[in-house]
Amino acid sequence: GNSVTQMEGPVTLSEEAFLTINCTYTATGYPSLFWYVQYPGEGLQLLLKATKADDKGSNKGFEATYRKETTSFHLEKGSVQVSDSAVYFCALRVNTGNQFYFGTGTSLTVIP
Amino acid sequence: SQTIHQWPATLVQPVGSPLSLECTVEGTSNPNLYWYRQAAGRGLQLLFYSVGIGQISSEVPQNLSASRPQDRQFILSSKKLLLSDSGFYLCAWSPTTPRPNQPQHFGDGTRLSIL
Repeated sequence: GNSVTQMEGPVTLSEEAFLTINCTYTATGYPSLFWYVQYPGEGLQLLLKATKADDKGSNKGFEATYRKETTSFHLEKGSVQVSDSAVYFCALRVNTGNQFYFGTGTSLTVIP
Repeated sequence: SQTIHQWPATLVQPVGSPLSLECTVEGTSNPNLYWYRQAAGRGLQLLFYSVGIGQISSEVPQNLSASRPQDRQFILSSKKLLLSDSGFYLCAWSPTTPRPNQPQHFGDGTRLSIL
């Protein structure tokens, strides 16, 4: 079947620390991969995406590389800010379907 | 550009009362539409999705229902709310296949509290 597994949170980092949030997936077809961010009390916003193997999605200093060999799409940022505090969701969509599969979300808190 | 509107933003309802949440999309045609629920501190639970007018797929049996009376309108309803229906409800849309690499886009959500 199709599923996404994210690292358990919550994650607490100091400002300017390096961030990695792990995401692995299983898919019956060829998936496109996404990271979403949810700020408190808001809906999900698309952060970045990658649609084929070895693609790197990037936005606002965040990056993730589509690794088919390890079925992974880990989110990274070199220097986090307090404003990055949010919940991050990894998701996939297979090329034959209309459904999206989300991980359980990882809560990130960045302290000054 | 495409936009998605969801209302109301917050709602407080007594147990046993009816519910109607509305979602509309602008700037696109024939979108896929989705309703999710997010319990406090939890992930997303897909409730319903629709690929066209009158076409509704239910993912979780419950006392909620969905309808799509127009191409870009998606409504979530209940005849009698339960305490367990409390949560954050999110509507989303995506372009239909054969553009499978397109993401979902979410509304701002409705915070539903059942008393």
